[in-house]
Amino acid sequence: DTGVSQDPRHKITKRGQNVTFRCDPISEHNRLYWYRQTLGQGPEFLTYFQNEAQLEKSRLLSDRFSAERPKGSFSTLEIQRTEQGDSAMYLCASSLGRRSSYEQYFGPGTRLTVT
Amino acid sequence: DQQVKQNSPSLSVQEGRISILNCDYTNSMFDYFLWYKKYPAEGPTFLISISSIKDKNEDGRFTVFLNKSAKHLSLHIVPSQPGDSAVYFCAAPSAGNKLTFGGGTRVLVKP
Repeated sequence: DTGVSQDPRHKITKRGQNVTFRCDPISEHNRLYWYRQTLGQGPEFLTYFQNEAQLEKSRLLSDRFSAERPKGSFSTLEIQRTEQGDSAMYLCASSLGRRSSYEQYFGPGTRLTVT
Repeated sequence: DQQVKQNSPSLSVQEGRISILNCDYTNSMFDYFLWYKKYPAEGPTFLISISSIKDKNEDGRFTVFLNKSAKHLSLHIVPSQPGDSAVYFCAAPSAGNKLTFGGGTRVLVKP
């Protein structure tokens, strides 16, 4: 399977704890995106990488959130001091990053529940 | 502000009939649109897209229509099949090709 993978698929944590999610994109894709989806809403953009460079962060990404893509391959999204409002599905997507290539391929998501 | 809106949260249709999903946008800079389909516990999967230089794009049972003057697009599924039951999102790319999604329409195709 050469699609986008995410780990873990589910995470339950207590408020105040730190969590880290991992995303492995399609190998030849140089762009990697993180989105967040809450119940009844569409995915909302959080941040994206071109290779290892983080090029944009949404205002949704508070200072408790940090994302890395250290070698331009996999990426991690960390949430520090989790709050109940962080409960959501976190989706990762990758793409070729060409000007005319808008299609993004999504992983299955990590569902976070903060209790 | 919601730049991409799907005003119908749900749609129920009989198998074999047409499903019509609507999407409106406010940002006139959007020049490309995509439709994604999402099953429970899976990530969205790309379905069909359209460039603003076209007003129609067809792929098998799926056709997307774009009305630029009305800032409106629609997805037609003909004939609808039970396996089409899913949530459908329209989306538009902006700077960095990041996608702005609508809120989704849940389609239920009844056998």
